[in-house]
Amino acid sequence: QVQLQQSGPGLVKPSQTLSLTCAISGDSVSSNSVAWHWIRQSPSRGLEWLGRTYFRPKRFNDYAVSVKSRISINPDTSKNQFSLQLNSVTPEDTAVYYCARGPWIQLDFDCWGQGTLVTVSS
Amino acid sequence: QSALTQPASVSGSPGQSITISCTGTSSDVGSYNLVSWYQQHPDKAPKLMIYEVTKRPSAVSNRFSGSKSGNTASLTISGLQAEDEANYYCCSYAPSNTWVFGGGTKLTVL
Repeated sequence: QVQLQQSGPGLVKPSQTLSLTCAISGDSVSSNSVAWHWIRQSPSRGLEWLGRTYFRPKRFNDYAVSVKSRISINPDTSKNQFSLQLNSVTPEDTAVYYCARGPWIQLDFDCWGQGTLVTVSS
Repeated sequence: QSALTQPASVSGSPGQSITISCTGTSSDVGSYNLVSWYQQHPDKAPKLMIYEVTKRPSAVSNRFSGSKSGNTASLTISGLQAEDEANYYCCSYAPSNTWVFGGGTKLTVL
């Protein structure tokens, strides 16, 4: 049974960096058969895919064009987790952020974290 | 990448069937058999209901089915139950290793 547990602050000031972590149990962040994604949801933008990290076997990343200049997703194999960093945030980045697992062949999201509401405000 | 187009709301009575459409373009829905559907109850994370257009995870009821024609995918729920009331989102794999979601459809069970 794969479980994803998110952690990180719920309030970030404008222009600062949003940082979230997703701890994995029941699978491995370095697995060759899955990718690890971040997705966000807001009333104005709906569900929005942000990016992924995966090993095939070396490490790769893909990012959404809308955030490509500001985003970094990194695995931590020693802790079996992966993280999201989003720089230079504005109130438009206020959303519920989810981490998710994506099986390589199906290219869907079959397991999700519990979600973290991040508010960007001074 | 523009969001996929879904109706804002659909409704049906218990026992009836409903269908939710999801329209994309020839670059996403029309190019890949990689459409998935997610159910989301209030304040919960989305749950995978259909993947690869028509396939169903083992734990999902066979009342849920998916299909695709051209640039439009569809989710059908038969034998509607009160617990099916939720928001439903489609998603498609898209060029350059990206994904695009639909705007969501609120299903009301009357």
